[in-house]
Amino acid sequence: GDSVTQKQGQVTLSEDDFLFINCTYSTTTYPTLFWYVQYPGQGPQLLLKVTTANNKGISRGFEATYDKGTTSFHLQKASVQESDSAVYFCALVDVGNTGKLIFGLGTTLQVQP
Amino acid sequence: GPKVLQIPSHQIIDMGQMVTLNCDPVSNHLYFYWYKQILGQQMEFLVNFYNGKVMEKSKLFKDQFSVERPDGSYFTLKIQPTALEDSAVYFCASSLGFNQDTQYFGPGTRLLVL
Repeated sequence: GDSVTQKQGQVTLSEDDFLFINCTYSTTTYPTLFWYVQYPGQGPQLLLKVTTANNKGISRGFEATYDKGTTSFHLQKASVQESDSAVYFCALVDVGNTGKLIFGLGTTLQVQP
Repeated sequence: GPKVLQIPSHQIIDMGQMVTLNCDPVSNHLYFYWYKQILGQQMEFLVNFYNGKVMEKSKLFKDQFSVERPDGSYFTLKIQPTALEDSAVYFCASSLGFNQDTQYFGPGTRLLVL
């Protein structure tokens, strides 16, 4: 079945560091890919979404490129801030299904001042 | 952005009791979802719902689970009877369309079954 893999459970950085969060996926079709961010005590909220292969999503300084060749959708940010500390989920929806989101395990980002 | 509300935020009940989790979705949304998250594990899809009917449910959506949205009021998840393994955070989400449309999540209901 479809799956999303995030290898990093936790990432700790200092302010202004470069962020890279790994995400790979497995499906039999061309899914829509998402990054959701979850702050403490809140539900996940959409960070960015990409529907077409080889396209890039950009939001609030974060970016991710839909790489069909490597089936990856890694999240990057050039310079993190303490306020970026949160849990980041990679997710997919398979084309043609009923909207079921399949999530990765999540990566906890801690940014130290 | 659009807000989804969930009531209650926390619930503690004894095993075997019934519990109803309530979700107030975004007002013009048509598709509704429940997800389950156990601490340290993945967020997992339970069920989605449209036009008064379940569209798809996962294997986690046991026979003891049911959903409804009577007359456009709360979208509810009922568990009867509850089991210890039902302890988790339950997130409701809604979307205007399905498939690629963005799902907006509520803050979750933390359910503890003793």
